[in-house]
Amino acid sequence: EIVLTQSPGTLSLSPGERATLSCRASQSVDSNYFAWYQQKPGQAPRLLIYGASSRATGIPDRFSGSGSGTDFTLTITRLEPEDFAVYYCQHYRYSPYAFGQGTRLEIK
Amino acid sequence: EVQLVESGGGLVHPGGSLRLSCAASGFTFSFYWMSWVRQAPGKGLEWVATIKQDGSEKYYVDSVKGRFTISRDNAKNSLFLQMNSLRVEDTAVYYCARDDDTWGYWGQGSLVTVSS
Repeated sequence: EIVLTQSPGTLSLSPGERATLSCRASQSVDSNYFAWYQQKPGQAPRLLIYGASSRATGIPDRFSGSGSGTDFTLTITRLEPEDFAVYYCQHYRYSPYAFGQGTRLEIK
Repeated sequence: EVQLVESGGGLVHPGGSLRLSCAASGFTFSFYWMSWVRQAPGKGLEWVATIKQDGSEKYYVDSVKGRFTISRDNAKNSLFLQMNSLRVEDTAVYYCARDDDTWGYWGQGSLVTVSS
């Protein structure tokens, strides 16, 4: 069973700054089946990145994903006020699928 | 437009049962694997169960094995989650999601509260 560990747990930044979120897997995962989501209170998760680095439809280009094997990164350049939310990573190649525990991006 | 709409949530006593439904539209439902994901209040996302297009393969997280059953009716474009022997720790918002190469489609969620 693969475990995904996200860091940091909370990230405090100001609008306009750059955010770097990390997700580490307990064993190598297929990057074709690795995703990042954004979630705001009371809303369903919103897909940002799939296949580790492909932006989902309608996602601004300030969001980018990278990584392979056991280490993955979500980068948000030039934070906008609407970007402050909780972010989750996920692998979905084989059951049991797994989510990371989340990184809360808060306004400093 | 792809839409997933969950229903059937509510308040149930520990040990009770509940059946969640997810109505799918805007795509050929029978072509896709489907999954349930839950989120306990104030907590993260947890994958619960997944079903193959024809229902011939089903997978569950260990904590619900033997208590929950995922099923589907392709003729009615519907996904189900039968939840038996419910526990307080099953309290969560339950989302259905289209399990494809991108996992880009989720429902709005249905709240299940298990409490005495």
